[in-house]
Amino acid sequence: EAGVTQFPSHSVIEKGQTVTLRCDPISGHDNLYWYRRVMGKEIKFLLHFVKESKQDESGMPNNRFLAERTGGTYSTLKVQPAELEDSGVYFCASSQDLDSPLHFGNGTRLTVT
Amino acid sequence: AQSVTQLGSHVSVSEGALVLLRCNYSSSVPPYLFWYVQYPNQGLQLLLKYTSAATLVKGINGFEAEFKKSETSFHLTKPSAHMSDAAEYFCAVSSSGGYNKLIFGAGTRLAVHP
Repeated sequence: EAGVTQFPSHSVIEKGQTVTLRCDPISGHDNLYWYRRVMGKEIKFLLHFVKESKQDESGMPNNRFLAERTGGTYSTLKVQPAELEDSGVYFCASSQDLDSPLHFGNGTRLTVT
Repeated sequence: AQSVTQLGSHVSVSEGALVLLRCNYSSSVPPYLFWYVQYPNQGLQLLLKYTSAATLVKGINGFEAEFKKSETSFHLTKPSAHMSDAAEYFCAVSSSGGYNKLIFGAGTRLAVHP
């Protein structure tokens, strides 16, 4: 089966621009998570979708971040406008059930200059 | 509140030597604990997990970890390091918000030299 796919793998944008990250979970996985790792620090939870619904978005840093999962399939994470501190690696992960193992994508490395 | 501390951001061992990566956790509830590995240019891969069954957990690639409640530790070990084990390793604990709402440690980068 195909794994979790993230696009793009790298993105370099200027401060103030907009970037949209995409995640395609494993087919049939209702649960989709976004995590990010900023500047070599801990990987931190951003939010959790169950199908198309936001189950938990307590980790979203501010209202410049918008996540969607229309139709309960792929998800997008938009950062608008981007700030320097948004640089880092954004990971997407999916699981079939709430307590089944997470499958991570390779991440999107975002650099804001 | 839950937290995870990984002692040593970098660990270097010789090929064939014991690998020991340290992880201590803080949790107000019985924890679910995980070790993940990230190889270069790849995503995180689950090595093993503790979910309140046996305290000694065996994972993939010859790794194992022992849950010690009295020490609040979940150290990762492998008897004999291989060059292919060079990667970054992350310890994580489930938060009170859910099994897969993970709190990660800062990671330990393992280098294996000939």
